[in-house]
Amino acid sequence: DAGVIQSPRHEVTEMGQEVTLRCKPISGHDYLFWYRQTMMRGLELLIYFNNNVPIDDSGMPEDRFSAKMPNASFSTLKIQPSEPRDSAVYFCASTLSQVEAFFGQGTRLTVV
Amino acid sequence: GENVEQHPSTLSVQEGDSAVIKCTYSDSASNYFPWYKQELGKRPQLIIDIRSNVGEKKDQRIAVTLNKTAKHFSLHITETQPEDSAVYFCAGSSGANNLFFGTGTRLTVIP
Repeated sequence: DAGVIQSPRHEVTEMGQEVTLRCKPISGHDYLFWYRQTMMRGLELLIYFNNNVPIDDSGMPEDRFSAKMPNASFSTLKIQPSEPRDSAVYFCASTLSQVEAFFGQGTRLTVV
Repeated sequence: GENVEQHPSTLSVQEGDSAVIKCTYSDSASNYFPWYKQELGKRPQLIIDIRSNVGEKKDQRIAVTLNKTAKHFSLHITETQPEDSAVYFCAGSSGANNLFFGTGTRLTVIP
């Protein structure tokens, strides 16, 4: 397995535009997490799924953020409309029920 | 959800000295506490973890201790080396299988 795969690696967009981040978890993992990393706030848990079902989205900062997991091998995090304060590195991670969580390489988002 | 606090935010040590990073958690139901290391520009990676049924775990130069009563756990790195320089994150997980991270400690090992 190639590990958790995220795309794109880098995204630069203008304020107000829609941004979609993508994640392919490790095959067989039943949990998927989305995190946002900034210098000020560290790693923030935005939302996590278990068997494709959203379990806790209390970390999603605003209604502008939404996440889906249509099947076991794909998840998206969407920001619409994007704002400069959304600039951060977004990580996706997957795990098999409370063992090691594997992170993707992250998407560095810059909103100008 | 769980609230994990981590201290210090930055730590500088001389090569060969020990480094200690401390975390506290709020949810008494939390029972799994991993530590991740993130090198510059890379993804976080697990270095050691501990479950609530043990008080200490060691792996070569790295050890983690857990005090369930006080709800705190610590990472100890002995004989530090320059390659230990990175950002370290603690995390807590309850039976809900979530994973909440502390804000990170930037460790610098001075040669």
